[in-house]
Amino acid sequence: QKEVEQDPGPLSVPEGAIVSLNCTYSNSAFQYFMWYRQYSRKGPELLMYTYSSGNKEDGRFTAQVDKSSKYISLFIRDSQPSDSATYLCSKAAGNKLTFGGGTRVLVKP
Amino acid sequence: SAVISQKPSRDICQRGTSLTIQCQVDSQVTMMFWYRQQPGQSLTLIATANQGSEATYESGFVIDKFPISRPNLTFSTLTVSNMSPEDSSIYLCSVVPGQGFYEQYFGPGTRLTVT
Repeated sequence: QKEVEQDPGPLSVPEGAIVSLNCTYSNSAFQYFMWYRQYSRKGPELLMYTYSSGNKEDGRFTAQVDKSSKYISLFIRDSQPSDSATYLCSKAAGNKLTFGGGTRVLVKP
Repeated sequence: SAVISQKPSRDICQRGTSLTIQCQVDSQVTMMFWYRQQPGQSLTLIATANQGSEATYESGFVIDKFPISRPNLTFSTLTVSNMSPEDSSIYLCSVVPGQGFYEQYFGPGTRLTVT
């Protein structure tokens, strides 16, 4: 079992819809959880990080962590075609980040 | 945040040769890392580049294959040695500019194809 698992997608939504992305993880020894966005042929870009359970909001983006069920979510409101990218969830333990496989998102105008 | 550049951006190399990838940051950073992203896959940490000492390699990666240098706090190189087609991948460096290890920033990557 991989430490961090994501549905690879692609996830296709119409412009303006809410994008819902999920990750599960298998090891409880993690404190920080991150979401990265990666455009084609670019390096990953840090979107948000969260610590402990609960929600964190930043503009159109909301990250949610449920440590009891080992579940990480990212919601994108009012999605735009520019949100089309691969979204990677990640967790940090010690000095190491572990990444999920990424979910490809396509927002259609 | 930090501005990170990598050279080359892409290369096509022959089997058995070596390629050195450079990573330059616009500010001094304590922590610097090298990752590999194989086609359609996620990122896998190769090693932590330590300034002034030998790099710390993850399981499955060895110094003879991926020698790393870190001469100062703004620069590092990764060499992919004795390449085979299985080394075809995107290689990325990342840095931690602040106190939080979890805030890593990535370079644009080097796309390597081995024929």
